[in-house]
Amino acid sequence: QVQLKESGPGLVQPSQTLSLTCTVSGLSLTSNSVSWIRQPPGKGLEWMGVIWSNGGTDYNSAIKSRLSISRDTSKSQVFLKMNSLQTEDTAMYFCARMGANWGQGVMVTVSS
Amino acid sequence: DIVMTQGALPNPVPSGESASITCQSSKSLLHSNGKTYLNWYLQRPGQSPQLLIYWMSTRASGVSDRFSGSGSGTDFTLKISSVEAEDVGVYYCQQFLEYPLTFGSGTKLEIK
Repeated sequence: QVQLKESGPGLVQPSQTLSLTCTVSGLSLTSNSVSWIRQPPGKGLEWMGVIWSNGGTDYNSAIKSRLSISRDTSKSQVFLKMNSLQTEDTAMYFCARMGANWGQGVMVTVSS
Repeated sequence: DIVMTQGALPNPVPSGESASITCQSSKSLLHSNGKTYLNWYLQRPGQSPQLLIYWMSTRASGVSDRFSGSGSGTDFTLKISSVEAEDVGVYYCQQFLEYPLTFGSGTKLEIK
């Protein structure tokens, strides 16, 4: 059974860096890609980026300069780091094997 | 980037009636391999998106046969026959032909 679970701080101050972890089970990161998607309150879904099975990454050009996705295959974890956070980065953040497997999401609020 | 545009529903939809949700892409999602790279999701209130349909018309595992997907390379329809209370939520189309992956803005379904 494939499961993904996001974790991280619920509150981040403006201009600071967001660090999130996606812990996966039931799938190998060396055989599957994992994406990060976010959703501001009451709004739609925005794909942020992906880490491929070979460890390569691709990012949404809108946030590419602020975003980094990495992984630790030994721990079955995928990491998201995004710097220079602003209030408009307040959102639910999901990790997913795009398609059928999504995490429950973690709410991140950017506020002082 | 491929832009996905979704239509609205004439909410609320009477229980037992059918509902059709439209989605249009700015570029054909029909690949030379004959497959159309379109997913449909349902996001129930407070939940992460659930995959309903992939490859434009293939139902995901466990999805009711009341849901069906159809379309051409750029125009798509998700049909829900005989809507039920559990169908309430926001429906999203999403293309996976090219990166960045992009979603439609969502179509809300309310039941009467």
